[in-house]
Amino acid sequence: EPEVTQTPSHQVTQMGQEVILRCVPISNHLYFYWYRQILGQKVEFLVSFYNNEISEKSEIFDDQFSVERPDGSNFTLKIRSTKLEDSAMYFCASSVTGQGTGTEAFFGQGTRLTVV
Amino acid sequence: DQQVKQNSPSLSVQEGRISILNCDYTNSMFDYFLWYKKYPAEGPTFLISISSIKDKNEDGRFTVFLNKSAKHLSLHIVPSQPGDSAVYFCAAEGFNAGNMLTFGGGTRLMVKP
Repeated sequence: EPEVTQTPSHQVTQMGQEVILRCVPISNHLYFYWYRQILGQKVEFLVSFYNNEISEKSEIFDDQFSVERPDGSNFTLKIRSTKLEDSAMYFCASSVTGQGTGTEAFFGQGTRLTVV
Repeated sequence: DQQVKQNSPSLSVQEGRISILNCDYTNSMFDYFLWYKKYPAEGPTFLISISSIKDKNEDGRFTVFLNKSAKHLSLHIVPSQPGDSAVYFCAAEGFNAGNMLTFGGGTRLMVKP
């Protein structure tokens, strides 16, 4: 069964450092997302991406964040200068059609980011 | 921002009995409601969904009920099995509510053998 894969599973970084979280969405999916879950809190939307551009972003997704689809398979989330409050589980997801249509989004297993 | 809310952080049920997980929402723009299940160290996996124009959707042991006037939905699992023990997230989306899922806080279901 096709799945969304994320690497690494756990990333520890020093405050102020840049991190890149990587995702390989399901190959025939066209919409890509990043969500995060701070420990003990709800899953929060960060950004959606379609046709090589951001289609929606939340207030969390400020100038420190960026996304990229550098080739035909990878989808990355970059945090330019990490802060302690960026520590969370980051989930990549993909779907065939956009949200708002009842389409299931498939989630990766997550990357746990710890900023020290 | 509490557009989607799950008021019960945890629920414990005996194997074979019914589990009922509840969810409330405030945004009338939502068109679809989805339930995701999450095991530790895994991402959420889709379970079942319902369109806002329906009041019930059933898939095997899982049934979702929607009361649009009360802005309330519930997930029924019957019979409950120990393998159902997980965190269940209610999520909502809408064509005019942004290209995103809005999640509730989750309910941890424990099914005791």
